Amino acid sequence: AQRVTQPEKLLSVFKGAPVELKCNYSYSGSPELFWYVQYSRQRLQLLLRHISRESIKGFTADLNKGETSFHLKKPFAQEEDSAMYYCALSDQTGANNLFFGTGTRLTVIP
Amino acid sequence: NAGVTQTPKFRILKIGQSMTLQCAQDMNHNYMYWYRQDPGMGLKLIYYSVGAGITDKGEVPNGYNVSRSTTEYFPLRLELAAPSQTSVYFCASSYLGGNYGYTFGSGTRLTVV
Repeated sequence: AQRVTQPEKLLSVFKGAPVELKCNYSYSGSPELFWYVQYSRQRLQLLLRHISRESIKGFTADLNKGETSFHLKKPFAQEEDSAMYYCALSDQTGANNLFFGTGTRLTVIP
Repeated sequence: NAGVTQTPKFRILKIGQSMTLQCAQDMNHNYMYWYRQDPGMGLKLIYYSVGAGITDKGEVPNGYNVSRSTTEYFPLRLELAAPSQTSVYFCASSYLGGNYGYTFGSGTRLTVV
């Protein structure tokens, strides 16, 4: 069965410091992975997708199949990055339903 | 273009009462989903639909029912509310499924007392 694990519930970094939000997954097939973000008083929204290999707001994420990880990284954190971040995995069935991790709350300290 | 609209935003129910959480989208998306999020937990899929007239169970369907008579609407029905259904409920939609991203509603915070 598929599973997404985000080991850190809370993460605090200083502005300008690098940030890495960890995500590990368990899936028997070839995974499709995503990062979603929820800023304060806003809706949950897609940040980036593994399949599109994009960089959004300075964030990148590399799929490491050997370590079954999809960590989210940004070299220099900004205050506006403070938010709740969720890693998600697609079950690759007809509907491609998403399975979410428990989320990490990132706080960027000015 | 309102996106995904959920109503109500908040609701308190007594044990045994029933209610319907409303979800509407105006993007002509085929796929719609209902998730619940308990405190400190990830989102768990309750039900989903791949088009009008087609629904299927997710991970945690017990105690809920859905219908999808039109592309736009995907209501979630709670029958005989229980304290275990206290949660935040999110509706989402997607044009081609999860691989292309979900558009989420703002959520409904439900408390069963």
